[in-house]
Amino acid sequence: QSVLTQPPSVSGAPGQRVTISCTGSSSNIGAGYDVHWYQQLPGTAPKLLIYGNSNRPSGVPDRFSGSKSGTSASLAITGLQAEDEADYYCQSYDSSLSGSGVYVFGTGTKVTVL
Amino acid sequence: QLQLQESGPGLVKPSETLSLTCTVSGGSISSSSYYWGWIRQPPGKGLEWIGSIYYSGSTYYNPSLKSRVTISVDTSKNQFSLKLSSVTAADTAVYYCARHRSRLAAPYNWFDPWGQGTLVTVSS
Repeated sequence: QSVLTQPPSVSGAPGQRVTISCTGSSSNIGAGYDVHWYQQLPGTAPKLLIYGNSNRPSGVPDRFSGSKSGTSASLAITGLQAEDEADYYCQSYDSSLSGSGVYVFGTGTKVTVL
Repeated sequence: QLQLQESGPGLVKPSETLSLTCTVSGGSISSSSYYWGWIRQPPGKGLEWIGSIYYSGSTYYNPSLKSRVTISVDTSKNQFSLKLSSVTAADTAVYYCARHRSRLAAPYNWFDPWGQGTLVTVSS
């Protein structure tokens, strides 16, 4: 069971703005650990979309942006395009188990372009 | 450009051991800056980190799988491998290999790049 909670789905019309939340706790996001985001197109491997809460790797359009506050993080997609239809996952680090940290992923959000 | 490629049997019988290899090309697995990890995704479900290894052989694992997992490295072949013992149907998943930075930076690490993934089905 994932410790990072995302909405199962979000949708929007082309050109609109959508946001995806990633809710954690004091043992992961709230502990100051970074949040990263991945895009998974159908039938493909996840691809890094945002790292270090708000940084875009080279080649990722500036339509994608990330932010973090308290025990949550968000991914925003502005100017939604048909090619953005995919599953999106947040990822962080969790230290709730004594002496052993774990990389954790969110439950995933399917973005549908209407 | 760094590329990772998973390989191994697509079908494993219950109670047996799942074995996969990740071959790294376009760069050296012996880079001092990076760890190499395994992540899995059951069909239609989310992602789960399995464990990671440094080129020296230093490993760390997800506690939920630690008792069944062994990750090893072969620097001469630029490969690292995963063994998962006593598998059940719950271990059916797409298995990915990916790179991340040093364990010292663990709270800030991300995975990039990823291999294309390989589906392993556990069934008799």
